[in-house]
Amino acid sequence: GAGVSQSPSNKVTEKGKDVELRCDPISGHTALYWYRQRLGQGLEFLIYFQGNSAPDKSGLPSDRFSAERTGESVSTLTIQRTQQEDSAVYLCASSAGTARTSEAFFGQGTRLTVV
Amino acid sequence: AQSVSQHNHHVILSEAASLELGCNYSYGGTVNLFWYVQYPGQHLQLLLKYFSGDPLVKGIKGFEAEFIKSKFSFNLRKPSVQWSDTAEYFCAVNAENYGQNFVFGPGTRLSVLP
Repeated sequence: GAGVSQSPSNKVTEKGKDVELRCDPISGHTALYWYRQRLGQGLEFLIYFQGNSAPDKSGLPSDRFSAERTGESVSTLTIQRTQQEDSAVYLCASSAGTARTSEAFFGQGTRLTVV
Repeated sequence: AQSVSQHNHHVILSEAASLELGCNYSYGGTVNLFWYVQYPGQHLQLLLKYFSGDPLVKGIKGFEAEFIKSKFSFNLRKPSVQWSDTAEYFCAVNAENYGQNFVFGPGTRLSVLP
């Protein structure tokens, strides 16, 4: 597609429920990143996928968070047993190469509200 | 701890004023540097990037940034701001010795008064 697409754009969920967020990267981009942006704060790195290599999960805040990506296509970020502190905008980005060669292109984000 | 810092949380300027937003990082070794902008209601967009070469980088919309390796800085500048520059500005760093992801600063909110 023309840009990075994320769905849903907004999600309200009850505390304790699981949620799944989706990211469609730009076609042909090998790298995919997930970030979290809490209100009034900067971007917090969550996870990075590069082609078929093992993902860098070093930013995931707890084992309630997981992400998958099949090849160089769609990625899903799953948050299990959501907590109120999970409320944030979740941003996905894709890149044609690595951060050493290419900038990241961001989607509009999914605004998650846990009530 | 390794980090990216931005000097100002909120900057308020009048139109035609000059702008400089500070960005410092604490990583050693080779770094790749970026400035992103987020206009109200829009997604993050790249303003400019530095990988190598001339440390003075020109980006879109009249913005430029200078990489000063000795100061671990990558400050963003614009000689004359417009009301339409009102946005949140984020500095980002990829440090080649520390992984493949982008590390973002906390952001600086710029408000330009008409």
